[in-house]
Amino acid sequence: KAGVTQTPRYLIKTRGQQVTLSCSPISGHRSVSWYQQTPGQGLQFLFEYFSETQRNKGNFPGRFSGRQFSNSRSEMNVSTLELGDSALYLCASSLGVVGNTEAFFGQGTRLTVV
Amino acid sequence: AQSVTQLDSQVPVFEEAPVELRCNYSSSVSVYLFWYVQYPNQGLQLLLKYLSGSTLVKGINGFEAEFNKSQTSFHLRKPSVHISDTAEYFCAVSGSNFGNEKLTFGTGTRLTIIP
Repeated sequence: KAGVTQTPRYLIKTRGQQVTLSCSPISGHRSVSWYQQTPGQGLQFLFEYFSETQRNKGNFPGRFSGRQFSNSRSEMNVSTLELGDSALYLCASSLGVVGNTEAFFGQGTRLTVV
Repeated sequence: AQSVTQLDSQVPVFEEAPVELRCNYSSSVSVYLFWYVQYPNQGLQLLLKYLSGSTLVKGINGFEAEFNKSQTSFHLRKPSVHISDTAEYFCAVSGSNFGNEKLTFGTGTRLTIIP
């Protein structure tokens, strides 16, 4: 059974640009959630999508957005990149909503903003 | 809203010694609790979870945790650690009611096993 796949694994962008990250969940999983991991702030919840609908959102500015397609694949977009957006972005998939079932994490996309 | 406090940022332990990683949470609603482990350059992997039932939860790799509602704690324990247990450990909480079902993580505890 294939795991959660995140692409790309590494990305370098310039301040002010925008970026799109992709997450392919485990087959059959309907929930995809996204997290930002930094040394200073730790792991912070960005948002969760369940059956193409945003189910929950963390405390991030509107520059961070996402969507989920009918095949459950999800994309996360960050516009007008800032230096502070440099982080490891993790996505997780789960059968049900992320808070009451096991979440399976991808290896992450490491974004560096210069 | 929920929050999690992991009191120890780093814990060094000798190989084959026991270990306890501490986790306290805060929530105004009933909760679900989780421990995840992250190995270097990897995503997170679930060690164990408490949803309901027995307060003593057994997980993978010989780990267990006990849910203590009165002390709002969910400490992780292993009776004898191995070199391969070197990793970062995250405690997470989720509210059990609709709208609060999202994972809030602690800041992590780096477990280092000394040979």
